[in-house]
Amino acid sequence: SQTIHQWPATLVQPVGSPLSLECTVEGTSNPNLYWYRQAAGRGLQLLFYSVGIGQISSEVPQNLSASRPQDRQFILSSKKLLLSDSGFYLCAWRTHFGQGNSGANVLTFGAGSRLTVL
Amino acid sequence: GNSVTQMEGPVTLSEEAFLTINCTYTATGYPSLFWYVQYPGEGLQLLLKATKADDKGSNKGFEATYRKETTSFHLEKGSVQVSDSAVYFCALSDTARRSGGSYIPTFGRGTSLIVHP
Repeated sequence: SQTIHQWPATLVQPVGSPLSLECTVEGTSNPNLYWYRQAAGRGLQLLFYSVGIGQISSEVPQNLSASRPQDRQFILSSKKLLLSDSGFYLCAWRTHFGQGNSGANVLTFGAGSRLTVL
Repeated sequence: GNSVTQMEGPVTLSEEAFLTINCTYTATGYPSLFWYVQYPGEGLQLLLKATKADDKGSNKGFEATYRKETTSFHLEKGSVQVSDSAVYFCALSDTARRSGGSYIPTFGRGTSLIVHP
């Protein structure tokens, strides 16, 4: 079966400290992977996406970076955290259902990593 | 560009009440439409989808019909339960790839639903 794992689930970090959030998918190969952030009471903000190893597209300039060292691993990092980096970080991978015009691209999300920067 | 507009929340209902969460969209071409649900402290889950005009997606008692003429995909449930309390996201996905080669869905801001016993 296809699954997606995120860790750590919860993290409390001081301002200026580094960050590493990891996302791993199983049961699929060459997935399209995404990192989203959800700030308190707000919607989803796409941060990065990747179509393959070493291929990262950034959606917004920020204090964060992403890497994809392996096909099924997607890492979100920061060298120095800011207070504004606090939020709920979600990893997702894309599945295509159906064929042609009746098909659809669906995202499957991990359980999320809650980051609090103090 | 694509956009999704959802009604502002929170929506507060009593158990067994009828639910409607409005969603309208702007897109070029013929997008697929989705509703995702996020229970407290969890990631998003796909609730239902529709891939073409007049399709009705349904799951767990929830329904939404793809209305091309009104560019809408309103979520409905006839009788809500306390366990339906969550944040609901309307989304669309078209067939266009970004320059990086991936499909990027467009999400609404989410509507919080609170159901009281």
